[in-house]
Amino acid sequence: AQTVTQSQPEMSVQEAETVTLSCTYDTSESDYYLFWYKQPPSRQMILVIRQEAYKQQNATENRFSVNFQKAAKSFSLKISDSQLGDAAMYFCAYRSEGAGSYQLTFGKGTKLSVIP
Amino acid sequence: NAGVMQNPRHLVRRRGQEARLRCSPMKGHSHVYWYRQLPEEGLKFMVYLQKENIIDESGMPKERFSAEFPKEGPSILRIQQVVRGDSAAYFCASSPKMDSREQYFGPGTRLTVT
Repeated sequence: AQTVTQSQPEMSVQEAETVTLSCTYDTSESDYYLFWYKQPPSRQMILVIRQEAYKQQNATENRFSVNFQKAAKSFSLKISDSQLGDAAMYFCAYRSEGAGSYQLTFGKGTKLSVIP
Repeated sequence: NAGVMQNPRHLVRRRGQEARLRCSPMKGHSHVYWYRQLPEEGLKFMVYLQKENIIDESGMPKERFSAEFPKEGPSILRIQQVVRGDSAAYFCASSPKMDSREQYFGPGTRLTVT
C-alpha cells in the first residue's frame, strides 16, 4: 500500500518570503500522480498543483512550484512571495495512474502560518 | 457551473441517532467518492460509487456506515447509531470517469456527536 508522509506539522513564513513544504511517499509503482491540496479555515479542499510521475519537468502554477524527485520519492511544494491568503493546511496526496485507479492517499498535512 | 454540493455543512447529532450526509456531484459527473477527515489527520478514503453501484467500500467501517448513489438524486452517506468517534469532517468528491486525473471536492460536512 502507498503511504504519504509530511514531516512538518507546522511551518511559518514571513509575508513576501518563500517557504518549502516537504512530502515523501512510498510506492512500488512507476506511474502515478502527486497533488498538493490547500485547506483554508473554510475547510474546502482546493487543488493547488498536480504532477504526473512520467513528466521530468516540475509543475508550476503561478507562485506555486514543486520539486519532484522520483528516485528519492520526494515531492516538495515551494510557495514564493507568500501572501496572507496562503495561510492554510496543506496536504500532499498520491494516486495511482491507470485503469481502475481512483483512490487518493493523503498525508497528515502541514499547517502554514503567514506572518505579516 | 455549480461545483460539488454537500449538505448540511454542519450536523450535530446525539449519540445513538442517525446521520445522513448528502452529496450532489458536479454536472456531468457520475462518479462519487467519500472521504473522512478525523481531527488533526489527512483525508482517508471511505467509499467509491457510481450511479446505483458501490464499486469499492474498502475504507468503510464494517458496521453502522452505508452509502448509496441512486439513479436520481444525491449520494447519501448514512451513519446509524452515531458515537463520539464518528465526529469528523466528511468530504465528497466527484469525477466524470473513474480514472480522471482530478477529483473535485465539495466543502465537506462537519459532523459533531454530542
